[in-house]
Amino acid sequence: GAVVSQHPSRVICKSGTSVKIECRSLDFQATTMFWYRQFPKQSLMLMATSNEGSKATYEQGVEKDKFLINHASLTLSTLTVTSAHPEDSSFYICSARQNKETQYFGPGTRLLVL
Amino acid sequence: EDKVVQSPLSLVVHEGDTVTLNCSYEVTNFRSLLWYKQEKKAPTFLFMLTSSGIEKKSGRLSSILDKKELFSILNITATQTGDSAVYLCAVGGGTASKLTFGTGTRLQVTL
Repeated sequence: GAVVSQHPSRVICKSGTSVKIECRSLDFQATTMFWYRQFPKQSLMLMATSNEGSKATYEQGVEKDKFLINHASLTLSTLTVTSAHPEDSSFYICSARQNKETQYFGPGTRLLVL
Repeated sequence: EDKVVQSPLSLVVHEGDTVTLNCSYEVTNFRSLLWYKQEKKAPTFLFMLTSSGIEKKSGRLSSILDKKELFSILNITATQTGDSAVYLCAVGGGTASKLTFGTGTRLQVTL
């Protein structure tokens, strides 16, 4: 299957700082990438759809000014959590769409805000 | 609103048993149903189903879709401890590329 990487895998930061997470498709080009959030023992919740060269589409209830998404190339999307607070602590996972339907997931980034 | 319901929520079996995991859905303009396995990190892709009645198989895992009754099953035969994971069902529908995920079935295989 296709390979998607995420960096960093784990980050601990102080409240009020910003954190950038990168998602890369390593062996294919992805015009669309997705950002999910997962709380312990819960399923994946879609936060936003990232489209190369255009603005991201955010799901209802997700603050676009807090979760900044940039999809500058066909292999890279970034999610920046701005002014992070402890309630933003979560597991953030990106996926990249290889063909019409199949999404391949990155390994995830565990964020802990102190 | 699109909805995906998985059952059971959790399951404990002995190694060697066969298990069947269920996924039912309500989605506008169904396009595909996908199964993923999630261990400690992000989900890994198992199957994508788009047509009714055609079984997809990979080793001890198989899956089939019923578009009339709006459900899919994932079968695992001769389970091993390495099959212990959360199995996620996701459905793609509508015009966007989005997937709607179920809450998952947590499978534990014991010796």
